[in-house]
Amino acid sequence: SQQGEEDPQALSIQEGENATMNCSYKTSINNLQWYRQNSGRGLVHLILIRSNEREKHSGRLRVTLDTSKKSSSLLITASRAADTASYFCATDTTGGGNKLTFGTGTQLKVEL
Amino acid sequence: SQTIHQWPATLVQPVGSPLSLECTVEGTSNPNLYWYRQAAGRGLQLLFYSVGIGQISSEVPQNLSASRPQDRQFILSSKKLLLSDSGFYLCAWIWTGRGGEQFFGPGTRLTVL
Repeated sequence: SQQGEEDPQALSIQEGENATMNCSYKTSINNLQWYRQNSGRGLVHLILIRSNEREKHSGRLRVTLDTSKKSSSLLITASRAADTASYFCATDTTGGGNKLTFGTGTQLKVEL
Repeated sequence: SQTIHQWPATLVQPVGSPLSLECTVEGTSNPNLYWYRQAAGRGLQLLFYSVGIGQISSEVPQNLSASRPQDRQFILSSKKLLLSDSGFYLCAWIWTGRGGEQFFGPGTRLTVL
């Protein structure tokens, strides 16, 4: 079963607006990561937040983590058409092998 | 710098035929290696991972197998493909012992007809 579930499944916004995606998970984690995937391509790592962190920034990205609610959010500020992609959260749980469990993803479309 | 290669990029195979997908990593040693499958419009499902040569862990029972004959080579195989094996197959690696980001290859699009 999926550890992470993203919400919404699809999001369409205008260029310049902010985009917020949410992720919920079920078990204890070491860290939570966000990835981006352009259509038909491999995934690219965006940001990692550890279980003892609450907020992290990277450029136009802001990630929050609430371990009490087992949820995370990814905010993309001042979106651009080039941000159009699918975004996935992935959790690294306390098991071995540094395995990641991916959510179902949010498809973001940024229109001009 | 490190790079990860997958080939082929696309593959169309008949049902019942064998499969071999290859993944190689350059510029690092003793990485953890992972095979994922992604169905259309869905998230990634972890199929296999390896923490060293000859060490393979299977995450889900299936028609596929994996092998790691060399430190930086990871192979995904099947003796007889099923229609349900169609999908986008991604290989990834991580620095051993470091909880952190996974680096993904470009993927192989497999269509079983």
